[in-house]
Amino acid sequence: LAKTTQPISMDSYEGQEVNITCSHNNIATNDYITWYQQFPSQGPRFIIQGYKTKVTNEVASLFIPADRKSSTLSLPRVSLSDTAVYYCLVGGPSGSARQLTFGSGTQLTVLP
Amino acid sequence: DGGITQSPKYLFRKEGQNVTLSCEQNLNHDAMYWYRQDPGQGLRLIYYSQIVNDFQKGDIAEGYSVSREKKESFPLTVTSAQKNPTAFYLCASSRGSDSYEQYFGPGTRLTVT
Repeated sequence: LAKTTQPISMDSYEGQEVNITCSHNNIATNDYITWYQQFPSQGPRFIIQGYKTKVTNEVASLFIPADRKSSTLSLPRVSLSDTAVYYCLVGGPSGSARQLTFGSGTQLTVLP
Repeated sequence: DGGITQSPKYLFRKEGQNVTLSCEQNLNHDAMYWYRQDPGQGLRLIYYSQIVNDFQKGDIAEGYSVSREKKESFPLTVTSAQKNPTAFYLCASSRGSDSYEQYFGPGTRLTVT
């Protein structure tokens, strides 16, 4: 399993762009990078997934450099409602759910 | 509406009692999962099931049991053998076990005293 390292917490202000970086030095060739968002006392919600370069959807962008040893989740123009814990996951398509590991995540606090 | 439901939202039990947590999905997903979350921690995988009548242990299966008799249902029993059962339990489902987009239920907060 590829271990991931994220900052424990980050603060930002409304309207700013937030970038959360995740390190995964031991990522395997078949591993994908997935990000989830979790609000208190709720289940996590899938945000975005990628394998290499850049992926963008309606809520976020994911930047993955060529060596794939890190990735950056970018949230444009955050609002107070984006205050949550963000998890970076790395796993391979082996058919085994054991490949997904949720670490402690990054607590993002958006301030007014 | 399609989704995944868990009941009850809060559950209280006395030590030494077994308790079963419900998880139902109407998304027609093949794979289902149970996670445990402790305060300030990430999620840890308890059990998962890729298909009906089949399930596999996750990282912390000791003291738990599951069944998968129907595609839409994946109940979790917390047995008296689980030493620290008080936690937030989350059920999830996905189209297949190699899908990284898992859909989570609202969770059940279990307190054992």
